[in-house]
Amino acid sequence: AQSVTQLGSHVSVSEGALVLLRCNYSSSVPPYLFWYVQYPNQGLQLLLKYTSAATLVKGINGFEAEFKKSETSFHLTKPSAHMSDAAEYFCAVSNDYKLSFGAGTTVTVRA
Amino acid sequence: NAGVTQTPKFQVLKTGQSMTLQCAQDMNHEYMSWYRQDPGMGLRLIHYSVGAGITDQGEVPNGYNVSRSTTEDFPLRLLSAAPSQTSVYFCASKLDSLTNTGELFFGEGSRLTVL
Repeated sequence: AQSVTQLGSHVSVSEGALVLLRCNYSSSVPPYLFWYVQYPNQGLQLLLKYTSAATLVKGINGFEAEFKKSETSFHLTKPSAHMSDAAEYFCAVSNDYKLSFGAGTTVTVRA
Repeated sequence: NAGVTQTPKFQVLKTGQSMTLQCAQDMNHEYMSWYRQDPGMGLRLIHYSVGAGITDQGEVPNGYNVSRSTTEDFPLRLLSAAPSQTSVYFCASKLDSLTNTGELFFGEGSRLTVL
């Protein structure tokens, strides 16, 4: 089955700095990849998804992710962090129509 | 818009007690699922359903039962609660069952503590 691995369980950034969250996938076929965000005491919501139409995917709130087959990666970035970006972020892959999630990365934003 | 509604939001049980977590969606979604979230482990799939009357096991089904008698409802039953089932439970749904690209919509979660 396909899986994803998120590198780094915690990331701390200064307000205005680049946010980079790493996700690598294992798959023998082209994967369908997702990034979800979870704000405190809430459910998850979709940030963006890769469905093979374009390798650079733009999502909500200024986030984007680039699919790199050669590196089996789907890293999430945002050029300038805002205090409201403090949350937990999950990378996920679709297996037989079901989503499998990575362990998550918690982002804290320093003023 | 209600979306996916879970009840209760919080519950404390004693070991051996039973309970049902309720999940309802008003979006006419085919697919519904239950996940549990534990620190450092992400979300793990417990059970899922691709339509009314059809359910199947996910990654961690032991100790849980589900049923799908209507399109809207997908309750999760704990028959004999154990401390290992202390977790946050999420119900999620998507429009089409047989698609790898559909967005999952999540409820706000149910926090369960088993003493």
